[in-house]
Amino acid sequence: AQKITQTQPGMFVQEKEAVTLDCTYDTSDPSYGLFWYKQPSSGEMIFLIYQGSYDQQNATEGRYSLNFQKARKSANLVISASQLGDSAMYFCAMTPMDSSYKLIFGSGTRLLVRP
Amino acid sequence: NAGVTQTPKFQVLKTGQSMTLQCAQDMNHEYMSWYRQDPGMGLRLIHYSVGAGITDQGEVPNGYNVSRSTTEDFPLRLLSAAPSQTSVYFCASRPDRGGTGELFFGEGSRLTVL
Repeated sequence: AQKITQTQPGMFVQEKEAVTLDCTYDTSDPSYGLFWYKQPSSGEMIFLIYQGSYDQQNATEGRYSLNFQKARKSANLVISASQLGDSAMYFCAMTPMDSSYKLIFGSGTRLLVRP
Repeated sequence: NAGVTQTPKFQVLKTGQSMTLQCAQDMNHEYMSWYRQDPGMGLRLIHYSVGAGITDQGEVPNGYNVSRSTTEDFPLRLLSAAPSQTSVYFCASRPDRGGTGELFFGEGSRLTVL
């Protein structure tokens, strides 16, 4: 069975600094996709970044990058130059490339950016 | 451009009552799914569908039914509501059956069961 683990329930970061949110996953599938979503206090889910298991390079989207270490089964999100608007819940998720097409989420990390 | 639309946004039920959470998407997405979000537990998959007429169970399907008679609609039915079903429910869709596409989420439905 697939599982996503986010071990940091909450984190603080100073504005303009970089922060890394941890995510480890467990799967026996050879092919899978990894996602990060942001959920601000308003409640909507915002897609941030995607990494495929066979992608050679780490994914980047603006200030977001995904530090993908396949052998360690980790997919950490790095946010550079944190902004106050980055304060939110962040969820790591995984989907196997099999017939189930399920997207499984971790329990989330609450990030608070200090001015 | 409506995207994924959920109704109602808020609902209060009494134990034992039934109700249906509606979800509709206008993007011709094949894949649709329902999640519940509880404090400290992230989003847990209830049911999902990879196309009209095809549904399957997720992690926490007990107490919920779904059907997918059209590509656009994926209603979630609570047959006999219990306080344990108090949660925020999200409907989400994806363009195709493959796993690489991002999920598009509705705004959520907050359900309270007394």
